[in-house]
Amino acid sequence: EMQLVQSGAEVKKPGESLKISCQGSGFRFTSYWIVWVRQMPGKGPECMGMIYPGDSDTRYSPSFAGQVTISADKSNSTAFLHWSSLMASDTAVYYCARRAYSSGPMDVWGTGTRVTVSS
Amino acid sequence: EIVLTQSPGTLSLSPGERATLSCRVSQSVTSNYLGWYQQKPGQAPRLLISGTSSRATGIPDRFSGSGSGTDFTLTISRLEPEDSAVYYCQQYGSLPYSFGQGTKLEIK
Repeated sequence: EMQLVQSGAEVKKPGESLKISCQGSGFRFTSYWIVWVRQMPGKGPECMGMIYPGDSDTRYSPSFAGQVTISADKSNSTAFLHWSSLMASDTAVYYCARRAYSSGPMDVWGTGTRVTVSS
Repeated sequence: EIVLTQSPGTLSLSPGERATLSCRVSQSVTSNYLGWYQQKPGQAPRLLISGTSSRATGIPDRFSGSGSGTDFTLTISRLEPEDSAVYYCQQYGSLPYSFGQGTKLEIK
């Protein structure tokens, strides 16, 4: 069964750093783009960026470039989303998702990681 | 950035009825890159339709997609109680791969 399992919920203070993870199984992780998606409370999803773990090619949506860092450890079939300094506005649920093929939709979704940033 | 506008915001229908959800795109999208997702509370989105009209694996044929250019439609025939959810359209042809704001479908 194809799965993306994400790390657990986080509660952080503004200014703190955070790295969340997304581990794939049941498919060849290095052959698919992995997309990170933000969903703020009561809002629609937003694509933040994506990585191709096979060669670490990374693309960012303009709104998120410079705000987060996407990386991957292909030896462990895991992708990461990192913040160096969190803000209250980063409070959201974050999903990773697999692109079905190089130019395809997101067909396998992670379990989601809820991030709460509050002083 | 390509903007997707969905209508209506909320749709309330009875079991067995047909639901028609609209997605208007701010600039023409290649039909290959338009999809629909279903999201239930506390769950991740689930892919329903890709390439405007191709059902994803395991999606019943009650769900169908159509459209071209800037106007796309998701139709759910013979509504069932479990279809209650928020539905999103998405273009995945050019970054950022934007989503619409969603249509909430309530089953009476």
